Amino acid sequence: EDQVTQSPEALRLQEGESSSLNCSYTVSGLRGLFWYRQDPGKGPEFLFTLYSAGEEKEKERLKATLTKKESFLHITAPKPEDSATYLCAVQAANQAGTALIFGKGTTLSVSS
Amino acid sequence: DAGITQSPRYKITETGRQVTLMCHQTWSHSYMFWYRQDLGHGLRLIYYSAAADITDKGEVPDGYVVSRSKTENFPLTLESATRSQTSVYFCASSEDRLGYTFGSGTRLTVV
Repeated sequence: EDQVTQSPEALRLQEGESSSLNCSYTVSGLRGLFWYRQDPGKGPEFLFTLYSAGEEKEKERLKATLTKKESFLHITAPKPEDSATYLCAVQAANQAGTALIFGKGTTLSVSS
Repeated sequence: DAGITQSPRYKITETGRQVTLMCHQTWSHSYMFWYRQDLGHGLRLIYYSAAADITDKGEVPDGYVVSRSKTENFPLTLESATRSQTSVYFCASSEDRLGYTFGSGTRLTVV
């Protein structure tokens, strides 16, 4: 069964304290791994897509990496405005259409 | 305005009533999706559509009906609402491997 597990469930950081969020997955053929950011009361906002092991992508203080079993979202010197829930999702080869399977998310709180 | 729009933003309905959630996108994306988001479960796929007049079930389709007569619209109907369908519903659109774009969601409460 295709599955996505995110850890930790919640993470509290001080401003400037770098850390990483983990997304481990088991799928029968990975077509793509996606990271989204979700603010309270809003829909998920697309951040990155990674397609193959070894791939990395960056956007401001965020960097996403991918291995054959997991992905990391590295947050460098976070600011309070980075506080949000970060969702990981995979698109599996056997999923009809382009449907994504989501993890439950990591809620990040950054205090000043 | 370009984008994906969901309506209503909030809805309270009674058990047993039929309710329809609307979703409209302006990009002519082929794929559209309905997800529900519940605490402890994350986002779960209800139904999806690959094109007009083509729809299929996702992980949790029971109690829901969809239609897609036009590419830009993908309404979700709860035929007889139950309390277990209280949730936040998100519509999304996509062109194959590109990232989904989500709407702002509809918070539905069934009393």
